[in-house]
Amino acid sequence: DIVMTQTPLSLSVTPGQPASISCKSSQSLLHSDGKTYVYWYLQKPGQSPQLLIYEVSSRFSGVPDRFSGSGSGTDFTLKISRVEAEDVGVYYCMQGINLPRTFGQGTKVEVK
Amino acid sequence: EVQLVESGGGLVQPGGSLRLSCAASGFTFSSYVMTWVRQAPGKGLEWVANIKQEGSEKFYVDSVKGRFTISRDNAKDSLYLQMNSLRPEDTAVYYCARGATMFDPWGQGTLVTVSS
Repeated sequence: DIVMTQTPLSLSVTPGQPASISCKSSQSLLHSDGKTYVYWYLQKPGQSPQLLIYEVSSRFSGVPDRFSGSGSGTDFTLKISRVEAEDVGVYYCMQGINLPRTFGQGTKVEVK
Repeated sequence: EVQLVESGGGLVQPGGSLRLSCAASGFTFSSYVMTWVRQAPGKGLEWVANIKQEGSEKFYVDSVKGRFTISRDNAKDSLYLQMNSLRPEDTAVYYCARGATMFDPWGQGTLVTVSS
């Protein structure tokens, strides 16, 4: 199975400041079709997870443009340009190239 | 409104069985791969199984193979997870989600507790 490793596991950010989460996969997520199958999900406190980013850098419908994804191969990053209070929760990366799908351990983001 | 609603969770003894259901509405259920994801208390997300649109292809995480069976009834817009030989480590909130990789939406989850 592909192992997804996130860093850091927790993050405390002042509102208006940027935040960055790294996700590394144990093998390349670049498919022969040219797409790279990495996704980012946010689980807000007490809620079900929600999709933020798909295929490295595409924002899902309704996701604010302060969220951006980047990376290639095995190294990926989720960035929040200016953290807001509503961004608190646990962020997960996930690979979608192989079964079983696997998630990173999660990064808990707290707003100071 | 696109919606998924899980049901069927509860307390069960080790070795017991439980059947989870996920009722879909607001979209053409038969057109989508459907997925089960679980989350143990205080832990992260774990993909459990998925099933293709016609129900002919099913995939499982190794830890549930031979014990869990995913199925669907497209006429009833419903997804199921039959869980047998349950173990304490199966204790989790079980979510159903639409999609094979882009999971959206997710249901609210149903809690399964395996304990004597």
